[in-house]
Amino acid sequence: GDSVTQTEGPVTVSESESLIINCTYSATSIAYPNLFWYVRYPGEGLQLLLKVITAGQKGSSRGFEATYNKETTSFHLQKASVQESDSAVYYCALGLQQGTGSKLSFGKGAKLTVSP
Amino acid sequence: GPKVLQIPSHQIIDMGQMVTLNCDPVSNHLYFYWYKQILGQQMEFLVNFYNGKVMEKSKLFKDQFSVERPDGSYFTLKIQPTALEDSAVYFCASSFSYEQYFGPGTRLTVL
Repeated sequence: GDSVTQTEGPVTVSESESLIINCTYSATSIAYPNLFWYVRYPGEGLQLLLKVITAGQKGSSRGFEATYNKETTSFHLQKASVQESDSAVYYCALGLQQGTGSKLSFGKGAKLTVSP
Repeated sequence: GPKVLQIPSHQIIDMGQMVTLNCDPVSNHLYFYWYKQILGQQMEFLVNFYNGKVMEKSKLFKDQFSVERPDGSYFTLKIQPTALEDSAVYFCASSFSYEQYFGPGTRLTVL
């Protein structure tokens, strides 16, 4: 079936260090799913961090980036230098239909703590 | 940015009772969704809704579940009757395009 496997928390990184949160997916109902990273900051709702809908492309936002790799079915989230304000829970997700209105399949989430 | 509101934030009910979870989506959005998250597990899709109709529902969307959005008001999830396994956090989302905006969730506890 369709599923997402990602680094599960907790992940602890010191400020200004680099970060990678792994995400791999299995999509049987769709050849090229849309890929997303969502984030939940403390006390807030889930919000979109970045998305990529075309295989081979890279998405970026707030210093984070992720590349849609269809060969390895991966969509790892990276940041070169994290800040304390990046502490949050990060979720990798697949869009399981083409186009808008697609249901999402989520990973379990990775709780990132950035220490000063 | 745009916000999705959910009412109530927490609901406690006895098994067998009916419950309605309310979602106030972003005003110009066209697609609406419910997701369910049991403690310690990932968030799972329940149903999506467009133009007054259910688009797709998962196997978690039991016969006891229903959704509606009468006259552009709240998008609601009704469970009748509730069961113990319905205890979870329910997240509403809405979208105009690819980006889904999520509410803060309603924690439902069925006793």
